[in-house]
Amino acid sequence: SAVISQKPSRDICQRGTSLTIQCQVDSQVTMMFWYRQQPGQSLTLIATANQGSEATYESGFVIDKFPISRPNLTFSTLTVSNMSPEDSSIYLCSVEKGRGEAFFGQGTRLTVV
Amino acid sequence: GENVEQHPSTLSVQEGDSAVIKCTYSDSASNYFPWYKQELGKRPQLIIDIRSNVGEKKDQRIAVTLNKTAKHFSLHITETQPEDSAVYFCAATDSGGGADGLTFGKGTHLIIQP
Repeated sequence: SAVISQKPSRDICQRGTSLTIQCQVDSQVTMMFWYRQQPGQSLTLIATANQGSEATYESGFVIDKFPISRPNLTFSTLTVSNMSPEDSSIYLCSVEKGRGEAFFGQGTRLTVV
Repeated sequence: GENVEQHPSTLSVQEGDSAVIKCTYSDSASNYFPWYKQELGKRPQLIIDIRSNVGEKKDQRIAVTLNKTAKHFSLHITETQPEDSAVYFCAATDSGGGADGLTFGKGTHLIIQP
């Protein structure tokens, strides 16, 4: 398995501001993933972050809104920019270990007011 | 891209009975199918997975079956207990190793009635 630490665990933010979420893994991993889980719903992949290259975004998500950094093999950040109430969600980072099993951080519960 | 459908959205069973959750997927290239359990306010936890070269896998009270021809897979929980109450998500990926990320079903809220 993997130990994944995310922070902050929760935040309440004003609309129009930005929040950066940090994800730290206890071992080196090639890929890190960022997901969004809207209240009461499933998980949707935002982007895949590979160290040393630009993140790959899924349909419906753009770099200007969700810039991602991946400075090394154990760390990544996701920024939610120019927030609106529709961005209120849980954001989770994830890594793949072993034969592809995905493990998740505890999530960041974001409320935009 | 991949599309995963999951049914039912809510399942209520008596403690001790069995529960079955079903998923279908669209991309025939998908070859890795994990199941996650998410308790309220917590992160998703991997409970079992299956790869395309296997038709069934079992781990104590939990089993997963895969029908590649029909593109569906199912989670079976036997002798359900109160601690099985949670939301369960199926997922699929076509990389075999999760390198492309997972496509999740919409989830099943499993309620175990005492």
